[in-house]
Amino acid sequence: QSVLTQPPSVSGAPGQRVTISCTGSSSNFGADYDVHWYQQLPGTAPKLLMYANIIRSSGVPDRFSGSKSGTSASLVITGLQAEDEADYFCQSYDRSLNVVFGGGTKLTVL
Amino acid sequence: EVQLVESGGGLVKPGGSLRISCVASGFTFSIYVMNWVRQAPGKGLEWVSSISSSSSHIYYADSVKGRFTISRDNAKNSLYLQMNSLRAEDTAVYYCASQEGGCSGASCFTSWGQGTLVTVSS
Repeated sequence: QSVLTQPPSVSGAPGQRVTISCTGSSSNFGADYDVHWYQQLPGTAPKLLMYANIIRSSGVPDRFSGSKSGTSASLVITGLQAEDEADYFCQSYDRSLNVVFGGGTKLTVL
Repeated sequence: EVQLVESGGGLVKPGGSLRISCVASGFTFSIYVMNWVRQAPGKGLEWVSSISSSSSHIYYADSVKGRFTISRDNAKNSLYLQMNSLRAEDTAVYYCASQEGGCSGASCFTSWGQGTLVTVSS
């Protein structure tokens, strides 16, 4: 059971918009710690996608955006493309546990 | 270009020990926090340990505390993880991850190595 909760899977057709949620608690998001997002393509290492809630990492297209409010965060992908098919992980800091990750969401492009 | 190259993974029996390494290049290794993150086969990411630039601050996940030791050699741009009393549940790909650039003031991981597989099995 991960400290941050993500849906196991989401899907969308090319060109569509998808949202991946990440739910935390008062000891991480609620304590004003930031959310960060990683993309892991099949068979590769994770790659930093978004950090500090809303900042895109270098080279990440503006189709990706992030937000955080209260104890929840979201990653939004617009104009979905086949190459976006991957696992996505949210991550934050927790007062009790140090660094914590979500369980991951598998994005399928239909 | 930042590069993190892990090595030293392999097959080890339960109760055994292993030391994995990570060599960094492309950034000023000595001034950034470094980390180990692992991923069990088919599972999610789990933070393992962090070490500050001067090694003065070290943190471990509860799952490895007392068994694993993180260390670094800034002169060699190298990060290490000594793993003792290994268990089957420690089987995972171990990634070295850095916090340079945008993550230098945050708890995120800017760059990742390709990982090294540690398998604990009899």
